[in-house]
Amino acid sequence: IAGITQAPTSQILAAGRRMTLRCTQDMRHNAMYWYRQDLGLGLRLIHYSNTAGTTGKGEVPDGYSVSRANTDDFPLTLASAVPSQTSVYFCASSDSVRNYNEQFFGPGTRLTVL
Amino acid sequence: RKEVEQDPGPFNVPEGATVAFNCTYSNSASQSFFWYRQDCRKEPKLLMSVYSSGNEDGRFTAQLNRASQYISLLIRDSKLSDSATYLCVVNKESGGYQKVTFGTGTKLQVIP
Repeated sequence: IAGITQAPTSQILAAGRRMTLRCTQDMRHNAMYWYRQDLGLGLRLIHYSNTAGTTGKGEVPDGYSVSRANTDDFPLTLASAVPSQTSVYFCASSDSVRNYNEQFFGPGTRLTVL
Repeated sequence: RKEVEQDPGPFNVPEGATVAFNCTYSNSASQSFFWYRQDCRKEPKLLMSVYSSGNEDGRFTAQLNRASQYISLLIRDSKLSDSATYLCVVNKESGGYQKVTFGTGTKLQVIP
C-alpha cells in the first residue's frame, strides 16, 4: 500500500451497534487524525494522535474512541452508533506535530446510521 | 463567528477566466495557512501553502494578509479540471498539538 487506506469504504449501520473504522498508513508519519465531514460544517477533528501510544480529543470527540498501538494504525470506534454520526469520516496523517506539515488524507468512509 | 469563514459559492466561471476566493480567520495567533482542494466525493489534498510574502504555483497565487486576517487564492486561466471545492485551512499550535481548522469550502465550477 502507498499512503493511507481506510476500511470499509462505506457502511450502513443500525443505531446502537458498535463499529470500528480502520485506518492504516505506510508513510511512518508520527501524527494521525480522524475527521468527520458534514455538509455545511466542513471537516471537524474528532481525535488525534501525536505519536504511537498517545491520543487526544479534538473538537467533536463524544461518542468516539481511538487507540494508537503502533505507528501505522489508528482505528476509530463508535461504541453505540447514533443517527447523528452519519457522516463521511476521513483519516489523515502528517510527518510532524510541532511543526505542521502537509496532512495526507485517506479516501474516506461513508457511514450511515439508521 | 466561525474560526474560518469562506463564501460557499458556487462560483461558475467560463474556461480561461480568472477567479479569486477569499477566506477570513478569527484567531490572530494563527500560525500557518493552506489551501486544500477537494474533488467531489474524494479526500482533500494540499494545493499550496500560503506565506505572508505571497506565493505562486503556476496559475495559482496565494496571499496572506495578517493585519486583516484573510487569505486569498487566485486562479488564472481556469481549466475544466480546476472544478472542485477549495478549502481554506488555518493552523495554530494549541495544547501540544497542531489545531487545524478547515473552512467549509468554496465550490468552483468551470464551464466550457
